[in-house]
Formats: sequence, C-alpha cells, structure tokens
Amino acid sequence: EDQVTQSPEALRLQEGESSSLNCSYTVSGLRGLFWYRQDPGKGPEFLFTLYSAGEEKEKERLKATLTKKESFLHITAPKPEDSATYLCAVHQDDYKLSFGAGTTVTVRA
Amino acid sequence: DTAVSQTPKYLVTQMGNDKSIKCEQNLGHDTMYWYKQDSKKFLKIMFSYNNKELIINETVPNRFSPKSPDKAHLNLHINSLELGDSAVYFCASSKARVNTEAFFGQGTRLTVV
Repeated sequence: EDQVTQSPEALRLQEGESSSLNCSYTVSGLRGLFWYRQDPGKGPEFLFTLYSAGEEKEKERLKATLTKKESFLHITAPKPEDSATYLCAVHQDDYKLSFGAGTTVTVRA
Repeated sequence: DTAVSQTPKYLVTQMGNDKSIKCEQNLGHDTMYWYKQDSKKFLKIMFSYNNKELIINETVPNRFSPKSPDKAHLNLHINSLELGDSAVYFCASSKARVNTEAFFGQGTRLTVV
C-alpha cells in the first residue's frame, strides 16, 4: 500500500543545533514531493516542491533534498520561530496529495 | 487579503444536526479540496473539485456532501453529525490538478457533542 512516513515524530532542538527530518515514501508514479509547515491553529503553509531525485531547494534556514525513496528537510542553526510541525506530502498519478503524519519541531532559546 | 478563507473557524454542535462549512478562494485556482485532520494531526483528503467537477471522492460517508457553485467556492455540508466527525477540516486550492502546491485555509474546528 502506498504510504508516506515521517520521522522522527517529534524533535526538540536547542537554538543553533542543526538537524534533519526524514520523509520516506513508497508510492507509485511520484509526480512531486511537497514540504509544508503548520503552526498550531493554522493551515499548512507551503515550503518546497521537489520533482526528481537529486533536486535540492533552500529557503532561509531550511533545505530540502530528494532521493528515489526519501526526502530530507535540513534545518540549519534553527531559531525558536522555526518551531512548528513539518509535513511531507506526495502527489501521485491519481492526483491525490497524500500527507505524512508530520514531525513536530520545538526549538528552545 | 486572505487567499483561502473558510467559515466558521469554530463549530460546536450536537449529534444528529446538519451543518455546513463554507470555503472561498481568491487566487483564481481551478482546483479545490477538502481535507480532514484528526486528533493525531494526520491530514487526509476527502474531496477534490476541478472547475466545479468532482475528481476525487475518497471513502467518505455519504453524509458528507461537497458543493461547488463556482470555481472560487467549495462548501461542505454534513448531515446527521456523529461524534467521530469531530476534527479540523481544511479547505485548500491549487492552480492545477497535479504538480502544483496547494494553499490551505485556516481550518474549521468541528466539535460534535
């Protein structure tokens, strides 16, 4: 069965402590992998789209990479304002956007 | 200026009632969606409309009926509400059916008592 798995479920970081989040997928016909950020009480906010293995995208302290089986979201020198739940989603042949369960990141000052 | 707006933000109602959630997008997008986020924060697609045409209908009870009067609106009507319907419902839109990012509304927290 197609699925998207994110790890870890939760990540607690000290300010400035870089780390990575993982999103592994077992879907057929991948048409795109998306990263979103969700703050409490709000809707997901789009961060990146990756389409092919080897592709990388960067935005401020975030960098997303894609391989044939997984994607990583690297957070470099995080700040407290980077605290959020990060969601990974894949777009498949059947036009559905399937989400992982998310990684909740807490950055302490 | 809000891109995807949904109303109400909070909805508390009794079991058995019928309720509606409204969604509007001012992005000029062709595709709109309804997602359900459960207590474990897992987002699951319910419906997708493209140019007012239903293209995705997941295994959702037929008590849930989406209605798209035009490209900019996708409303969700729920009949005979049950306790298990309590969740946060998100409306979203995207420029096309595939390969484009979706923009989400702020969510509607539905509590059935």
